[in-house]
Amino acid sequence: DAGITQSPRHKVTETGTPVTLRCHQTENHRYMYWYRQDPGHGLRLIHYSYGVKDTDKGEVSDGYSVSRSKTEDFLLTLESATSSQTSVYFCATRTGAGGKEQYFGPGTRLTVT
Amino acid sequence: QKEVEQDPGPLSVPEGAIVSLNCTYSNSAFQYFMWYRQYSRKGPELLMYTYSSGNKEDGRFTAQVDKSSKYISLFIRDSQPSDSATYLCASGEVEGGKLIFGQGTELSVKP
Repeated sequence: DAGITQSPRHKVTETGTPVTLRCHQTENHRYMYWYRQDPGHGLRLIHYSYGVKDTDKGEVSDGYSVSRSKTEDFLLTLESATSSQTSVYFCATRTGAGGKEQYFGPGTRLTVT
Repeated sequence: QKEVEQDPGPLSVPEGAIVSLNCTYSNSAFQYFMWYRQYSRKGPELLMYTYSSGNKEDGRFTAQVDKSSKYISLFIRDSQPSDSATYLCASGEVEGGKLIFGQGTELSVKP
Protein backbone atom coordinates (compact mmCIF):
# COMPACT_ATOMS: atom_id res chain seq x y z
CA ASP A 1 0.00 0.00 0.00
CA ALA A 2 1.65 3.22 -1.18
CA GLY A 3 -0.75 5.47 0.68
CA ILE A 4 -2.90 6.19 -2.36
CA THR A 5 -6.40 7.56 -2.09
CA GLN A 6 -8.79 8.31 -4.91
CA SER A 7 -11.80 10.57 -4.88
CA PRO A 8 -14.61 10.28 -5.49
CA ARG A 9 -14.92 6.49 -5.16
CA HIS A 10 -18.17 6.42 -7.10
CA LYS A 11 -19.67 8.93 -9.49
CA VAL A 12 -22.64 9.03 -11.83
CA THR A 13 -22.69 11.87 -14.33
CA GLU A 14 -24.47 12.84 -17.51
CA THR A 15 -23.08 12.86 -21.02
CA GLY A 16 -21.42 16.15 -21.87
CA THR A 17 -20.54 17.20 -18.34
CA PRO A 18 -16.94 17.72 -17.19
CA VAL A 19 -15.60 15.34 -14.56
CA THR A 20 -12.41 15.47 -12.49
CA LEU A 21 -11.00 12.53 -10.61
CA ARG A 22 -8.34 13.02 -7.97
CA CYS A 23 -5.45 10.81 -6.92
CA HIS A 24 -3.54 11.63 -3.75
CA GLN A 25 -0.39 9.87 -2.51
CA THR A 26 1.57 10.24 0.70
CA GLU A 27 4.77 8.37 -0.27
CA ASN A 28 6.46 11.14 -2.30
CA HIS A 29 6.64 8.85 -5.34
CA ARG A 30 7.89 10.53 -8.48
CA TYR A 31 5.76 8.71 -11.04
CA MET A 32 1.97 8.66 -11.12
CA TYR A 33 -0.36 6.92 -13.57
CA TRP A 34 -4.01 6.85 -14.56
CA TYR A 35 -5.49 3.62 -15.95
CA ARG A 36 -8.94 2.54 -16.93
CA GLN A 37 -10.14 -1.02 -16.53
CA ASP A 38 -12.84 -2.49 -18.73
CA PRO A 39 -14.05 -6.08 -19.24
CA GLY A 40 -12.15 -7.71 -22.08
CA HIS A 41 -9.47 -5.00 -22.13
CA GLY A 42 -7.72 -5.25 -18.81
CA LEU A 43 -5.85 -2.21 -17.56
CA ARG A 44 -5.03 0.45 -20.13
CA LEU A 45 -2.83 3.47 -19.52
CA ILE A 46 -4.49 6.86 -20.05
CA HIS A 47 -1.80 9.35 -18.97
CA TYR A 48 1.16 9.36 -16.68
CA SER A 49 3.39 11.86 -14.91
CA TYR A 50 7.13 11.67 -14.29
CA GLY A 51 7.29 14.77 -12.10
CA VAL A 52 5.47 17.94 -11.17
CA LYS A 53 4.08 19.51 -14.36
CA ASP A 54 5.63 16.68 -16.44
CA THR A 55 3.04 14.45 -18.09
CA ASP A 56 2.74 12.24 -21.14
CA LYS A 57 0.05 10.34 -23.02
CA GLY A 58 -0.70 6.67 -22.70
CA GLU A 59 -2.50 4.19 -24.90
CA VAL A 60 -6.04 5.64 -24.55
CA SER A 61 -5.58 9.37 -23.92
CA ASP A 62 -8.23 10.80 -26.28
CA GLY A 63 -10.91 12.68 -24.33
CA TYR A 64 -8.79 12.93 -21.17
CA SER A 65 -6.43 15.51 -19.76
CA VAL A 66 -4.28 15.49 -16.64
CA SER A 67 -2.52 17.92 -14.37
CA ARG A 68 0.05 17.61 -11.61
CA SER A 69 0.82 20.79 -9.71
CA LYS A 70 2.09 19.03 -6.58
CA THR A 71 4.01 15.80 -6.08
CA GLU A 72 1.17 14.27 -4.10
CA ASP A 73 -1.77 15.04 -6.42
CA PHE A 74 -2.56 13.86 -9.94
CA LEU A 75 -5.86 14.93 -11.49
CA LEU A 76 -7.66 13.28 -14.39
CA THR A 77 -10.24 15.37 -16.24
CA LEU A 78 -12.86 14.25 -18.70
CA GLU A 79 -13.62 17.49 -20.50
CA SER A 80 -17.00 16.32 -21.83
CA ALA A 81 -17.92 12.88 -20.55
CA THR A 82 -19.24 10.26 -22.97
CA SER A 83 -20.85 6.88 -22.32
CA SER A 84 -17.71 5.16 -23.64
CA GLN A 85 -15.84 6.60 -20.66
CA THR A 86 -17.95 4.59 -18.23
CA SER A 87 -15.27 2.53 -16.52
CA VAL A 88 -13.31 1.90 -13.37
CA TYR A 89 -10.36 4.29 -13.08
CA PHE A 90 -7.24 3.40 -11.14
CA CYS A 91 -4.38 5.59 -10.08
CA ALA A 92 -0.93 4.08 -9.53
CA THR A 93 2.43 5.35 -8.32
CA ARG A 94 6.08 4.32 -8.68
CA THR A 95 9.07 5.49 -6.70
CA GLY A 96 11.32 6.35 -9.64
CA ALA A 97 14.37 5.27 -7.67
CA GLY A 98 15.10 2.37 -10.01
CA GLY A 99 12.25 0.12 -8.96
CA LYS A 100 9.65 -0.49 -11.62
CA GLU A 101 6.90 -1.71 -9.35
CA GLN A 102 3.65 0.21 -9.50
CA TYR A 103 1.24 0.45 -6.58
CA PHE A 104 -2.45 0.99 -7.14
CA GLY A 105 -5.18 2.94 -5.44
CA PRO A 106 -8.67 1.61 -4.66
CA GLY A 107 -10.27 2.88 -7.87
CA THR A 108 -13.10 5.19 -8.90
CA ARG A 109 -16.20 3.71 -10.48
CA LEU A 110 -17.54 6.21 -13.03
CA THR A 111 -20.86 5.86 -14.83
CA VAL A 112 -21.77 8.24 -17.63
CA THR A 113 -25.49 8.16 -18.46
CA GLN B 1 -1.84 -8.61 -31.41
CA LYS B 2 -1.58 -7.35 -27.86
CA GLU B 3 1.93 -7.03 -26.43
CA VAL B 4 0.93 -9.13 -23.41
CA GLU B 5 -1.58 -11.94 -23.85
CA GLN B 6 -3.34 -13.74 -21.02
CA ASP B 7 -6.13 -16.30 -21.03
CA PRO B 8 -9.05 -14.65 -19.21
CA GLY B 9 -10.42 -17.94 -17.90
CA PRO B 10 -12.37 -18.33 -15.71
CA LEU B 11 -10.33 -21.04 -14.04
CA SER B 12 -11.89 -23.14 -11.29
CA VAL B 13 -9.87 -25.52 -9.11
CA PRO B 14 -10.46 -27.45 -5.87
CA GLU B 15 -8.81 -26.31 -2.67
CA GLY B 16 -5.27 -27.64 -2.33
CA ALA B 17 -4.64 -27.83 -6.09
CA ILE B 18 -1.58 -26.41 -7.80
CA VAL B 19 -2.59 -23.52 -10.02
CA SER B 20 -0.68 -22.46 -13.13
CA LEU B 21 -1.37 -19.04 -14.62
CA ASN B 22 0.34 -18.04 -17.84
CA CYS B 23 1.09 -15.08 -20.07
CA THR B 24 3.01 -14.52 -23.28
CA TYR B 25 4.59 -11.30 -24.44
CA SER B 26 5.83 -10.16 -27.82
CA ASN B 27 8.23 -7.28 -27.11
CA SER B 28 11.83 -8.46 -26.78
CA ALA B 29 12.68 -5.21 -24.99
CA PHE B 30 10.59 -6.21 -21.97
CA GLN B 31 12.96 -6.88 -19.11
CA TYR B 32 10.82 -6.83 -16.01
CA PHE B 33 7.76 -8.84 -15.16
CA MET B 34 5.12 -8.58 -12.49
CA TRP B 35 2.08 -10.36 -11.17
CA TYR B 36 -0.79 -8.55 -9.53
CA ARG B 37 -3.75 -9.97 -7.63
CA GLN B 38 -7.06 -8.15 -7.77
CA TYR B 39 -10.00 -9.00 -5.56
CA SER B 40 -13.46 -8.04 -6.71
CA ARG B 41 -14.05 -4.27 -6.59
CA LYS B 42 -10.54 -3.61 -5.27
CA GLY B 43 -7.36 -2.19 -6.75
CA PRO B 44 -4.62 -4.49 -8.10
CA GLU B 45 -2.14 -5.58 -5.45
CA LEU B 46 1.48 -6.31 -6.35
CA LEU B 47 2.16 -9.99 -5.73
CA MET B 48 5.55 -10.67 -7.22
CA TYR B 49 8.06 -9.10 -9.58
CA THR B 50 11.23 -10.23 -11.31
CA TYR B 51 13.76 -8.71 -13.66
CA SER B 52 15.36 -11.87 -14.98
CA SER B 53 14.70 -15.29 -16.39
CA GLY B 54 14.26 -18.15 -14.00
CA ASN B 55 12.19 -18.75 -10.91
CA LYS B 56 11.37 -16.55 -7.94
CA GLU B 57 9.61 -18.02 -4.95
CA ASP B 58 7.62 -16.34 -2.19
CA GLY B 59 5.77 -18.69 0.12
CA ARG B 60 3.17 -20.60 -1.89
CA PHE B 61 3.80 -18.47 -4.98
CA THR B 62 6.44 -19.01 -7.67
CA ALA B 63 6.96 -16.66 -10.61
CA GLN B 64 8.73 -18.08 -13.64
CA VAL B 65 10.05 -16.21 -16.66
CA ASP B 66 11.40 -17.77 -19.84
CA LYS B 67 12.72 -14.95 -22.02
CA SER B 68 13.69 -17.29 -24.85
CA SER B 69 10.04 -18.22 -25.39
CA LYS B 70 8.61 -14.96 -24.01
CA TYR B 71 6.55 -16.88 -21.48
CA ILE B 72 5.58 -15.80 -17.96
CA SER B 73 4.02 -18.08 -15.38
CA LEU B 74 2.70 -17.88 -11.84
CA PHE B 75 2.31 -21.06 -9.81
CA ILE B 76 0.23 -21.24 -6.66
CA ARG B 77 0.78 -24.27 -4.42
CA ASP B 78 -1.81 -25.56 -1.97
CA SER B 79 -4.39 -23.13 -3.30
CA GLN B 80 -6.88 -21.68 -0.83
CA PRO B 81 -10.35 -20.17 -1.28
CA SER B 82 -8.78 -16.85 -0.30
CA ASP B 83 -6.71 -17.06 -3.50
CA SER B 84 -9.89 -16.58 -5.52
CA ALA B 85 -9.25 -13.36 -7.44
CA THR B 86 -8.22 -12.07 -10.84
CA TYR B 87 -4.50 -12.35 -11.54
CA LEU B 88 -2.87 -9.84 -13.87
CA CYS B 89 0.54 -10.22 -15.47
CA ALA B 90 2.45 -7.13 -16.57
CA SER B 91 5.69 -6.44 -18.42
CA GLY B 92 7.77 -3.40 -19.25
CA GLU B 93 11.00 -2.10 -20.70
CA VAL B 94 13.99 -1.03 -18.65
CA GLU B 95 13.78 2.49 -20.03
CA GLY B 96 10.57 4.37 -19.37
CA GLY B 97 7.94 3.82 -16.75
CA LYS B 98 5.17 2.06 -18.58
CA LEU B 99 3.75 -1.34 -17.80
CA ILE B 100 1.71 -3.36 -20.29
CA PHE B 101 -0.91 -5.54 -18.63
CA GLY B 102 -2.48 -8.77 -19.69
CA GLN B 103 -6.24 -9.06 -19.64
CA GLY B 104 -6.25 -10.92 -16.33
CA THR B 105 -7.23 -14.49 -15.43
CA GLU B 106 -10.16 -15.00 -13.07
CA LEU B 107 -9.39 -17.79 -10.58
CA SER B 108 -11.88 -19.52 -8.32
CA VAL B 109 -10.70 -21.97 -5.64
CA LYS B 110 -13.55 -24.12 -4.38
CA PRO B 111 -13.54 -25.45 -0.79
